[in-house]
Amino acid sequence: GAVVSQHPSRVICKSGTSVKIECRSLDFQATTMFWYRQFPKQSLMLMATSNEGSKATYEQGVEKDKFLINHASLTLSTLTVTSAHPEDSSFYICSAERTGSGYTFGSGTRLTVV
Amino acid sequence: AQSVTQPDIHITVSEGASLELRCNYSYGATPYLFWYVQSPGQGLQLLLKYFSGDTLVQGIKGFEAEFKRSQSSFNLRKPSVHWSDAAEYFCAVGGGTGTASKLTFGTGTRLQVTL
Repeated sequence: GAVVSQHPSRVICKSGTSVKIECRSLDFQATTMFWYRQFPKQSLMLMATSNEGSKATYEQGVEKDKFLINHASLTLSTLTVTSAHPEDSSFYICSAERTGSGYTFGSGTRLTVV
Repeated sequence: AQSVTQPDIHITVSEGASLELRCNYSYGATPYLFWYVQSPGQGLQLLLKYFSGDTLVQGIKGFEAEFKRSQSSFNLRKPSVHWSDAAEYFCAVGGGTGTASKLTFGTGTRLQVTL
């Protein structure tokens, strides 16, 4: 079955530093990946759609300069939170679309900015 | 714009009892509907999906859901709940696969199972 690996699962960083989160499709090629943010006890909010070889499409209200997305290959997308602040602390989840199978989600990354 | 409503924020059932989680959607065309389950601190696991065909969909872990176009609903059911089913459940709607269509999620229903 389709497997998406997301790393790291947890990360703590200092305010002002940058953090990179990786999302890999292990057994299929994903031309499109999605990045979501989830606040405690809330639903998932789509941040951006990551397209292999092109610029990401960001949802309204998401700062593209703060949340840098790179989709350099058909199996890897990365989300970099730049100059992180405590309000960026959240649970970030990626998903990849596999044609005919729907969407497979990573296990998420808990980011804590101190 | 597409939207999903899960009216029940929190549901508590006894182990062995039946379960129904409600989901209503708004979508301008034929919807693709999903139910996901999330354990604390974890990603989402797909329980089942509806693309077309039979409106009663079977999923993993004994779950099923019925698509009712006239009611714009896609309720999740399980005849006998197990304690391990306690988790957060999300209903989602999208425009289909192969089109990179965005998923819109409901706010989730937290299921608590009492022994």
